[in-house]
Amino acid sequence: QVELQESGPGLVKPSETLSLTCTVSGVSITISSYYWGWIRQAPGQGLEWIGSISYSGSTYYSPSLKSRVTISKDTSKNQFSLKVSSVTASDTAVYYCARIRDRYEDRGYFDIWGQGAQVTVSS
Amino acid sequence: EIVLTQSPATLSLSPGERATLSCRASQSIGNYLAWYQQKPGQAPRLLIYDASIRATGIPARFSGSGSGTDFTLTISNLEPEDFAIYFCQQRSFWPLLTFGGGTKVEIK
Repeated sequence: QVELQESGPGLVKPSETLSLTCTVSGVSITISSYYWGWIRQAPGQGLEWIGSISYSGSTYYSPSLKSRVTISKDTSKNQFSLKVSSVTASDTAVYYCARIRDRYEDRGYFDIWGQGAQVTVSS
Repeated sequence: EIVLTQSPATLSLSPGERATLSCRASQSIGNYLAWYQQKPGQAPRLLIYDASIRATGIPARFSGSGSGTDFTLTISNLEPEDFAIYFCQQRSFWPLLTFGGGTKVEIK
């Protein structure tokens, strides 16, 4: 059974860096059939794709967040991480990590999600 | 950048009725569209991918259609557990991905 679990501080001060980690169990993040992504949802709002990392470590980011976002992975711990720099109140959201299929027949869809982590930006 | 516009923002229906949700893309995305369901306090769940293929375990009352720029999610015979928010997502420009703004299906 594949599971994803987000972890990290729930409160971040403005102008600082938000850091979250997603721990994956049940499947290796180095398997070529999957990418791994971050999505956020501001209060009462829709879903926003932040970025993704491939099994080989290639990264892809939303154009609107690219300048402030870094996604990385630690294969020894089967984890991938998100950093968002220079945060403001508009970065307050529930942050989800998710698995993305990378098979020819269904590439690019989020099939397994973590439960989400609330992050509030406030002084 | 692809923009996905969902309509209506809110759909008020009774159990047993049919729900028809729309997702329109700012440019053609082929059939590379998925639909997700999100219930309060929960993560989204994949319902439909490639416009019309039901994900594993999804009931047959959920169906998707469309291609190019116009897509529809239909829920026939609404069950109480179907009242939720629904999002569309495109992967036409993989690995860049985009979600729509969502449609809330509420009990009338």
